[in-house]
Amino acid sequence: QVQLQESGPGLVKPSGTLSLSCTVSGGSVSSGSYYWSWVRQPPGKGLEWVGYMYYSGRSSYNPSLKSRVTISVHPSKNQFSLKLNSVTAADTAVYYCARGHGGFYYHYGMDVWGRGTTVIVSS
Amino acid sequence: DIVMTQSPLSLPVTPGEPASISCRSSQSLQNNGYNYLDWFLQKPGQSPQLLIYLGSNRASGVPDRISGSGSGTDFTLRISRVEAEDIGVYYCMQALQTPYSFGQGTKLEI
Repeated sequence: QVQLQESGPGLVKPSGTLSLSCTVSGGSVSSGSYYWSWVRQPPGKGLEWVGYMYYSGRSSYNPSLKSRVTISVHPSKNQFSLKLNSVTAADTAVYYCARGHGGFYYHYGMDVWGRGTTVIVSS
Repeated sequence: DIVMTQSPLSLPVTPGEPASISCRSSQSLQNNGYNYLDWFLQKPGQSPQLLIYLGSNRASGVPDRISGSGSGTDFTLRISRVEAEDIGVYYCMQALQTPYSFGQGTKLEI
């Protein structure tokens, strides 16, 4: 059974960089059938898709985050990560990592989620 | 970008009774005969869990009293008989094109 676990600092200073990791257990980030995603949820609000990356390197990001976001896959650690630059208070949220199952011609949804980690942007 | 609109935003329910949630997209989610619309449930204090993918396919472990239907721009999630474990916020999400986008959420409460 695949499980995901987020980790990283819970407090980031304004204009700094938010860096989170997601450790995958019970499966491999190197599988080509899956994409590795981040979704965030500001306090008391709904879900916002941040982006995803496949092991192959194919990626997509939410344009609302402009060029501040990077998702990377780290096969040697069986992890994937999120970096968000130039953060402001608006980036305060619970950040979830999730596994998506799909490709160009098939789609089975984001079927495994981590428990989420709270990141507060404050000085 | 595709905009997703759910209704109602709050849905009081009675255990044992049916419930339905509507989700509309700003453009058709159909591609190659499939509708790229997923449903998630976020129970209180938990992370979201996948219920339905491609409009009507139940994810693993989802009871058959939960079903999804619809095509194009109009979709519905139905619960035939609400149980206490169904309480939470339901989100639809389009996966046709990036950026993926969620509806505002519908809070199901007793």
